[in-house]
Amino acid sequence: AQSVTQLGSHVSVSEGALVLLRCNYSSSVPPYLFWYVQYPNQGLQLLLKYTSAATLVKGINGFEAEFKKSETSFHLTKPSAHMSDAAEYFCAVSVAGNQFYFGTGTSLTVIP
Amino acid sequence: DTGVSQNPRHKITKRGQNVTFRCDPISEHNRLYWYRQTLGQGPEFLTYFQNEAQLEKSRLLSDRFSAERPKGSFSTLEIQRTEQGDSAMYLCASSPPRAGVGTGELFFGEGSRLTVL
Repeated sequence: AQSVTQLGSHVSVSEGALVLLRCNYSSSVPPYLFWYVQYPNQGLQLLLKYTSAATLVKGINGFEAEFKKSETSFHLTKPSAHMSDAAEYFCAVSVAGNQFYFGTGTSLTVIP
Repeated sequence: DTGVSQNPRHKITKRGQNVTFRCDPISEHNRLYWYRQTLGQGPEFLTYFQNEAQLEKSRLLSDRFSAERPKGSFSTLEIQRTEQGDSAMYLCASSPPRAGVGTGELFFGEGSRLTVL
């Protein structure tokens, strides 16, 4: 069975500070991993994805994530937070792209 | 192409009534997914189609829920005899055909919000 766990349902950072959103996965086979972002009253949109190529994945808006098999983690980072980054972030795991399982989400607040 | 389209965006109904949501995926996307999202939770899988075939249904999907995708294009999700617990955002997503061993991501619509009074 596949699943993801997002540690911390709410994260607050100051504008310009490092953003770190945590995601750990469980999968019996090599997974595909995704981060999605949801802005208020909008649909989910893809930030980045890992599909067994490079372990460090760069996405849109300056976000990146590193796949660490030994730690079963896929944490999302951004060196410097912007006010526009305030949103809900979801980690998701897929096996062979047939089924996608989402975490419970992390709400990011950016403090001016 | 304007992306995944869902209608209606909002639906308020009384308990016991039937409701139907429609999803128009991105053209040429052969996979279509339905998810349910409640406040403070991530999207919860309901069912998915590859072309017109419904390949998987969540065990959480009661007999009151039915989904169709005639002709492999748009899809409908019907909820019969709605209950207050059905109040949620119903999300549709589509995904393009996979190439080789790669995998595509999901492209989501903006959702259909259901409120059952």
